[in-house]
Amino acid sequence: EIVLTQSPGTLSLSPGERATLSCRASQSVSSSYLAWYQQKPGQAPRLLIYGASSRATGIPDRFSGSGSGTDFTLTISRLEPEDFAVYYCQQYGSSRYTFGQGTKLEIK
Amino acid sequence: EVQLVESGGGLVQPGGSLRLSCAASGFTVSSNYMSWVRQAPGKGLEWVSVIYSGGSTYYADSVKGRFTISRDNSKNTLYLQMNSLRAEDTAVYYCARGGWAVADPFDYWGQGTLVTVSS
Repeated sequence: EIVLTQSPGTLSLSPGERATLSCRASQSVSSSYLAWYQQKPGQAPRLLIYGASSRATGIPDRFSGSGSGTDFTLTISRLEPEDFAVYYCQQYGSSRYTFGQGTKLEIK
Repeated sequence: EVQLVESGGGLVQPGGSLRLSCAASGFTVSSNYMSWVRQAPGKGLEWVSVIYSGGSTYYADSVKGRFTISRDNSKNTLYLQMNSLRAEDTAVYYCARGGWAVADPFDYWGQGTLVTVSS
């Protein structure tokens, strides 16, 4: 089973700053199978990025994804107040779906 | 508009059973793969089970043999039958819609239903 490890666990930044979130897989993942989600308190997760780098419908272009193999990155170019939330990466493999443990993005 | 509405959560004793439902609208549950994902209080997301459009089902090791995923095409509803419940099954359970391909992401989620396993 592929394990996804996200870092850092918590990221403290100010609005307007750039955020870089990492997701590392225990073995190579097809880029087509890597997604990122945002979750705010009391809400369901929301799909942000799929196929490692494609933005989902309605997602602002300040969100971007990159990476391949075992290393993937979610970048938020200029943080808006509504971007402070928990972010999860997720992958598919062999009829199983796994999530990373999440990165909490908090206001500094 | 795609909507997913879960129901059926509640308080149940260890060893008990519960059936969750997820009523879908705006699309046909049999044409997409559908999953259940859970989140224990204060914890991250954990995939639980999937049913593909062809009917194949798969489970996380933590629930295999205890949980059963199914769907009723006539009611356009997804289900999760949970038996032999344990304290560690306590979580908010979300149903999530996948795509037509098994590797597509979860693009729509319900609001979740809370299951509490406690005596």
